[in-house]
Amino acid sequence: KQEVTQIPAALSVPEGENLVLNCSFTDSAIYNLQWFRQDPGKGLTSLLLIQSSQREQTSGRLNASLDKSSGRSTLYIAASQPGDSATYLCAVTGGSQGNLIFGKGTKLSVKP
Amino acid sequence: DGGITQSPKYLFRKEGQNVTLSCEQNLNHDAMYWYRQDPGQGLRLIYYSQIVNDFQKGDIAEGYSVSREKKESFPLTVTSAQKNPTAFYLCASSIPGLYEQYFGPGTRLTVT
Repeated sequence: KQEVTQIPAALSVPEGENLVLNCSFTDSAIYNLQWFRQDPGKGLTSLLLIQSSQREQTSGRLNASLDKSSGRSTLYIAASQPGDSATYLCAVTGGSQGNLIFGKGTKLSVKP
Repeated sequence: DGGITQSPKYLFRKEGQNVTLSCEQNLNHDAMYWYRQDPGQGLRLIYYSQIVNDFQKGDIAEGYSVSREKKESFPLTVTSAQKNPTAFYLCASSIPGLYEQYFGPGTRLTVT
């Protein structure tokens, strides 16, 4: 059964710092991997989608990488800002039905 | 604007009552999903539907029911058989085959 783990569970950094969030999964047979952002009490906002054939995706200050063989993905945030404070969730699509399997998230706090 | 709407944002019910959560999308997506989120937990799949008039159980379907009579709508009923219904409920949709999911703003259900 696919399991997704995110480390660390919480992270606090000063503004302007570059940071990396980690995601690992146990079964490398995935269709894609999605990174989401969730603000308190809100729904999920899709940040980046990496197809299984891709190695990375970039959007603005965000860069996500995927290493299927080792079951790992990283989300790199450059020049962090207080507005980046949120919980970041990683999810993989493993089955033919397109169902997402989520990690528990990393709660990021960027201090001014 | 295209998107997913969930109503209401907050819902309060007494134990023993059934309650229905609304999810509507105007993205013309065929697939729709219901997830449950508890504090400190990842999202868990309740039910999903790939096409109108068809749906499948997810990992935690016990105590829940759904219908899919229209492409745009996928309501979730939380029945009195659900042992611990208090949670944050999120609806999502996607284009089958692409598997990138888009989420609504969520409904927070409190049962006392």
